[in-house]
Amino acid sequence: DAGITQSPRHKVTETGTPVTLRCHQTENHRYMYWYRQDPGHGLRLIHYSYGVKDTDKGEVSDGYSVSRSKTEDFLLTLESATSSQTSVYFCAISKGPGTGELFFGEGSRLTVL
Amino acid sequence: QQQVKQSPQSLIVQKGGISIINCAYENTAFDYFPWYQQFPGKGPALLIAIRPDVSEKKEGRFTISFNKSAKQFSLHIMDSQPGDSATYFCAASKSWGSNYKLTFGKGTLLTVNP
Repeated sequence: DAGITQSPRHKVTETGTPVTLRCHQTENHRYMYWYRQDPGHGLRLIHYSYGVKDTDKGEVSDGYSVSRSKTEDFLLTLESATSSQTSVYFCAISKGPGTGELFFGEGSRLTVL
Repeated sequence: QQQVKQSPQSLIVQKGGISIINCAYENTAFDYFPWYQQFPGKGPALLIAIRPDVSEKKEGRFTISFNKSAKQFSLHIMDSQPGDSATYFCAASKSWGSNYKLTFGKGTLLTVNP
């Protein structure tokens, strides 16, 4: 158990509505990541965080914002959801230097109609 | 620009056979090359990883072969089993301390027939 909880696990919303996905960790790790997974594209990094209020963009950050006000929570927000943001979103954490391993949550499936 | 290219997209192997998945990367600054395994409805999980100072790493039935000059690495699954049926992703990153911004390949769906 990687100690990561994503919520909601499933969400259906309409184009133009705001959506926030939450990633919660129980182990106080510094680095947290948001990836999206789409058929034919693999996993692509959206944003990541290296500490409270410290975030940076990944390769597909347009249309997304993130916030990290507490070590344990990393929020991904779609300000105005579009159909192209229909995807499965994964949160991941890095547990420390040297291991190189990312631990992933179980994903949040978002459908934008 | 796709920095990590993975092939094949899908692979069907008979039980007991060898599964081989290949990846190529472009960024010579990458210094960490993991393979992740993902079952339906689950998040990816680390299977095996290699750093460029070795050419091969073996863990049980899983082996990574790494060719630094060709900028290629591959996953070999020996004696493939139906339980190995999953999607496999290669990845690469330049590591800074604890920060591993992985760049993933597009994935290979492996089916092992009984």
